[in-house]
Amino acid sequence: DGGITQSPKYLFRKEGQNVTLSCEQNLNHDAMYWYRQDPGQGLRLIYYSQIVNDFQKGDIAEGYSVSREKKESFPLTVTSAQKNPTAFYLCASKAGDSGANVLTFGAGSRLTVL
Amino acid sequence: AQSVTQLDSQVPVFEEAPVELRCNYSSSVSVYLFWYVQYPNQGLQLLLKYLSGSTLVKGINGFEAEFNKSQTSFHLRKPSVHISDTAEYFCAVSRKGGYQKVTFGIGTKLQVIP
Repeated sequence: DGGITQSPKYLFRKEGQNVTLSCEQNLNHDAMYWYRQDPGQGLRLIYYSQIVNDFQKGDIAEGYSVSREKKESFPLTVTSAQKNPTAFYLCASKAGDSGANVLTFGAGSRLTVL
Repeated sequence: AQSVTQLDSQVPVFEEAPVELRCNYSSSVSVYLFWYVQYPNQGLQLLLKYLSGSTLVKGINGFEAEFNKSQTSFHLRKPSVHISDTAEYFCAVSRKGGYQKVTFGIGTKLQVIP
């Protein structure tokens, strides 16, 4: 079945450490997105990529970095510069020819910084 | 700029009773509207979408929503809820056309009481 795989599901890290969250899709979608979810704040866009080797900052990109070397993969690095990294992170994708902007989501990764 | 307001952060309802989850949006141009559902510790799943045409949209799991342009609303309804409907529901909006940013509301937690 096609879909989006995020790993790990749960991640614990100490303050000051960089962590990388994996996102892989086999839907042949062109666009991929990273959202952060905090209780009572909905989803906020971190970064997005419409094509390979290109990506743009979203609303809350500070303290995060991404790469898009392959169409299937869009990893997110949470750097030590992110002041409050504990959150639920969601990866999503969208077919490039879809004008309806319907997003397909992965199951999420929960990061806890101790 | 576009925005979404979900008027209720939590909605408790007894099993088999009807429910309405409210959503209002703001945009200066034509929009697509969406409802997504999220079960605990999972990603978001598309419930239904309004692109154009009939203002009454039917989705999965017996849910429906009505687009009201004059009131800029897109309320979600179900005539009889089940315990399995307990989840968080997100309203979202994007401008029409190609890639456009999808903006999410803060979510409404639906709690179905046996």
